Amino acid sequence: EVQLVESGGGLVQPGGSLKLSCAASGFTFSSYGMSWVRQTPDKRLELVATINSNGGSTYYPDSVKGRFTISRDNAKNTLYLQMSSLKSEDTAMYYCARVTTDYWGQGTTLTVSS
Amino acid sequence: DIVITQDELSNPVTSGESVSISCRSSKSLLYKDGKTYLNWFLQRPGQSPQLLIYLMSTRASGVSDRFSGSGSGTDFTLEISRVKAEDVGVYYCQQLVEYPFTFGSGTKLEIK
Repeated sequence: EVQLVESGGGLVQPGGSLKLSCAASGFTFSSYGMSWVRQTPDKRLELVATINSNGGSTYYPDSVKGRFTISRDNAKNTLYLQMSSLKSEDTAMYYCARVTTDYWGQGTTLTVSS
Repeated sequence: DIVITQDELSNPVTSGESVSISCRSSKSLLYKDGKTYLNWFLQRPGQSPQLLIYLMSTRASGVSDRFSGSGSGTDFTLEISRVKAEDVGVYYCQQLVEYPFTFGSGTKLEIK
């Protein structure tokens, strides 16, 4: 059974940093591109980062480019999202998902507030 | 970026009836390989999105045959037949033809 379990969310002040993790199991992690998708309080979904299977290629939309960094450790079957210079508009539930969005985790919540 | 538009349903649906949910794209989602890169998801209350349909019309593993997807390059429909209480939630469509992969704003299905 495919499982994706996110962790690391929390309350952060504006301008702060946080690193999310996603532990993957039930499939060959190193064979799949992976993504982070966030859902804002108004329930809109936004892709915020994608990485290919070997970590050699990444994609970010303009809204997070230069502030977010996606990475992976295929030996540990774990995906990461390093977030910095956080803004209130980054407040959301963050999901990790396979790049084809066929499997999603349960999400971890980030709140950016003073 | 490709804009994905979803309308709201005008009324709650009666159990056992059929319902169609629409999705429109600002650009054709038909790729040069002949496939149309559109997904449909259901997000039940308190849960993460669940893939229902991929490549516009292919049901994901384990998804009931009451769900079917159709469309052209820019206009898409998710049809749900014999609606059940378990179908309640928000339905999203998503394009995967070019980055960033964008989502519609969702269509909420309520049962009378």
